[in-house]
Amino acid sequence: DADVTQTPRNRITKTGKRIMLECSQTKGHDRMYWYRQDPGLGLQLIYYSFDVKDINKGEISDGYSVSRQAQAKFSLSLESAIPNQTALYFCATSDRGTDYGYTFGSGTRLTVV
Amino acid sequence: AQSVSQHNHHVILSEAASLELGCNYSYGGTVNLFWYVQYPGQHLQLLLKYFSGDPLVKGIKGFEAEFIKSKFSFNLRKPSVQWSDTAEYFCARDTGRRALTFGSGTRLQVQP
Repeated sequence: DADVTQTPRNRITKTGKRIMLECSQTKGHDRMYWYRQDPGLGLQLIYYSFDVKDINKGEISDGYSVSRQAQAKFSLSLESAIPNQTALYFCATSDRGTDYGYTFGSGTRLTVV
Repeated sequence: AQSVSQHNHHVILSEAASLELGCNYSYGGTVNLFWYVQYPGQHLQLLLKYFSGDPLVKGIKGFEAEFIKSKFSFNLRKPSVQWSDTAEYFCARDTGRRALTFGSGTRLQVQP
């Protein structure tokens, strides 16, 4: 099983619909992140969480919300999806130690029509 | 805000050619730097990282990077590329709260 699991892998949704992307991890890491990837723009940070009670906005949080249900679960919601939210979304985790680096999930490809 | 920039957006090389991909970081804050690779259809994987110490960092798959403080640079190098190195490469740095900010990426195409 993957260390960081994202569901769904692919999703097509209509403009205005609410959608939730889920991320779960077995790494035991405290820190979890949501990024979106667009061609030519790299990865942009949406939200990140250092523990269940610590949620922080990233570079592009408008139009998104998150929920850290447990140490191992971090969900991203689009309350009312719009076409320019069509992108590849990645969840990542990291350890709190000094020798940290991200572990990424396989991504969710979201298309808003 | 701390940032990184990658000026090479698309690089095409023949097998066995040497590779150098540029990465520049903005002044200020903790300078923890990373290179990630994304093979087609896959997620990002860590190639190497620099926190402090020896400015020449060796990573996986024969890659290395050199931290040059005076140039605000952290360029990725490989002496001889293979077709299997075809991928997108991202430079990243810590924003100061253990959240990474990424460059826009460099797509490397290695021709056999």
